[in-house]
Amino acid sequence: SQQGEEDPQALSIQEGENATMNCSYKTSINNLQWYRQNSGRGLVHLILIRSNEREKHSGRLRVTLDTSKKSSSLLITASRAADTASYFCATEGAGGTSYGKLTFGQGTILTVHP
Amino acid sequence: KAGVTQTPRYLIKTRGQQVTLSCSPISGHRSVSWYQQTPGQGLQFLFEYFSETQRNKGNFPGRFSGRQFSNSRSEMNVSTLELGDSALYLCASGSRGVADTQYFGPGTRLTVL
Repeated sequence: SQQGEEDPQALSIQEGENATMNCSYKTSINNLQWYRQNSGRGLVHLILIRSNEREKHSGRLRVTLDTSKKSSSLLITASRAADTASYFCATEGAGGTSYGKLTFGQGTILTVHP
Repeated sequence: KAGVTQTPRYLIKTRGQQVTLSCSPISGHRSVSWYQQTPGQGLQFLFEYFSETQRNKGNFPGRFSGRQFSNSRSEMNVSTLELGDSALYLCASGSRGVADTQYFGPGTRLTVL
């Protein structure tokens, strides 16, 4: 079963606008990771945020994590047509026994129009 | 460093056959995880191997099995294929498999007819 719920399921914006995607999860985590997937290809790792971190930046990406609300958000600033893809959040459960297991949300389909 | 590689990229099989998929992790990574992605169920964890040992397993039937070799390369086998096994199979590698980033390969698209 999917732990994460992502919101919205689909997002359509114009180039240059910002895109915000949200992710909620149910159990305690070690970390939360965001991935991008283009048209059924492999997943590209975007950013990892640990449970003791609240915010991380990488280029045009900003990720926040609120463990009290069990939620995270991914902000892409100044979107480009090349950002069009599906975006997934994935959590690694806490406790040290999640060996290699990430639990994924259903994903947000982002479309950026030129 | 070279990324995660998976072979073959595409595969067509018929019901009842078996299939073996291969994954080569990033050099130096000892953890390899396998995932199944379908439109209905999304991305689901199959199992993880570290230093040739299965450390974790998802909720899949025994028809799904795997192994890891001493060079960290991993194979996944599905026996007695069913139509519902049609999916994108992704492997991911990590240095430790816990509390670190997982890097995914391009996937193997399996179609069962």
